[in-house]
Amino acid sequence: DQQVKQNSPSLSVQEGRISILNCDYTNSMFDYFLWYKKYPAEGPTFLISISSIKDKNEDGRFTVFLNKSAKHLSLHIVPSQPGDSAVYFCAARGNAGNMLTFGGGTRLMVKP
Amino acid sequence: GAGVSQTPSNKVTEKGKYVELRCDPISGHTALYWYRQSLGQGPEFLIYFQGTGAADDSGLPNDRFFAVRPEGSVSTLKIQRTERGDSAVYLCASSGGWGDTQYFGPGTRLTVL
Repeated sequence: DQQVKQNSPSLSVQEGRISILNCDYTNSMFDYFLWYKKYPAEGPTFLISISSIKDKNEDGRFTVFLNKSAKHLSLHIVPSQPGDSAVYFCAARGNAGNMLTFGGGTRLMVKP
Repeated sequence: GAGVSQTPSNKVTEKGKYVELRCDPISGHTALYWYRQSLGQGPEFLIYFQGTGAADDSGLPNDRFFAVRPEGSVSTLKIQRTERGDSAVYLCASSGGWGDTQYFGPGTRLTVL
């Protein structure tokens, strides 16, 4: 039973446009959410996070939105750059433990 | 280096053999985590250390898997009687403490023939 799902395995976007990556979760005990970016042959790199007490967090070109009632979060990248091409993982953490539960990832391709 | 390091980067072994995977966390980080990533999937939690003790080992799939962190720094993940299904990338992460951001190493790709 996947508690964190990323339903789009891949996304292709033109350089300069917005990239929107989506993530859904089922466990209502999750209270902290993160996005990681992964390049081939490297470990996941932390990108941005959001606590369940907020509905938006922004860091430069990256914004994460959280809709608790829908158990849905999204990552917006504006403007998208070719260097953003990578696999993006959504992750969630509950207040009872420190482990992260990851989604299956979305491969983003930003075309020049 | 300042980041999490893992050795070896690649390990090929035969079914039934024993393997050890090593993780060097970021200096000063008290929390250390092991995850496993199978092809086409996201990382899956295996075990979490706070200091020298395993605070949560609920993700270890069976008793062939064991991990240690004897001095609260370097950790070794040990897999006995490897099976082909153990083939995956094993990721290590560390953080400054409970609730802090987890920083990942590059992983060890294990292939069991």
